[in-house]
Amino acid sequence: AQTVTQSQPEMSVQEAETVTLSCTYDTSESDYYLFWYKQPPSRQMILVIRQEAYKQQNATENRFSVNFQKAAKSFSLKISDSQLGDAAMYFCAYRSMYSGGGADGLTFGKGTHLIIQP
Amino acid sequence: EADIYQTPRYLVIGTGKKITLECSQTMGHDKMYWYQQDPGMELHLIHYSYGVNSTEKGDLSSESTVSRIRTEHFPLTLESARPSHTSQYLCASSEAVEQFFGPGTRLTVL
Repeated sequence: AQTVTQSQPEMSVQEAETVTLSCTYDTSESDYYLFWYKQPPSRQMILVIRQEAYKQQNATENRFSVNFQKAAKSFSLKISDSQLGDAAMYFCAYRSMYSGGGADGLTFGKGTHLIIQP
Repeated sequence: EADIYQTPRYLVIGTGKKITLECSQTMGHDKMYWYQQDPGMELHLIHYSYGVNSTEKGDLSSESTVSRIRTEHFPLTLESARPSHTSQYLCASSEAVEQFFGPGTRLTVL
């Protein structure tokens, strides 16, 4: 079974600064997907960024980028130029590349609460 | 607008009541999922469906049941609610890799 660990229950950053959220995972699979989801208070969880394990290049979406270290099983999220709207719970998630038997269900970490200081 | 909906958003109910949490999506996705999220904890998959008349239990054991009679509808039922069922329940759907989540139902059983 796969596990996802987020070791930072809470992080705080000044507006316009850069913050990095950590995530490590454990799996015996070689092909999989990794995601960062954002869950604002009382609002829907939305996908921030995703990474395919077979891709060596780190994914980037505007101010959000990841540092994917497959050998170390590490998948951190960097948020540049932090904005007040970035305040939320951030969840790291793992998904097998295979489907069937619930294998495509997501395995989540416990989340990191990101606070943006104005 | 294509989206995924959950009702009710909040529910407070007494022990022993039967409840149904509704989930509907207008994206035409075949795959749908239910996750349970306890406060301060990670989400756990409790049910999934790959299409009409297909339902399976997920990683986390749950006393709830689900049905999938229509593609767009994936309700979750608790026959007799207990305080241990107090949690947030999130519904999601997917066509390929990305899962799209509903706003969740926060259930409190007294």
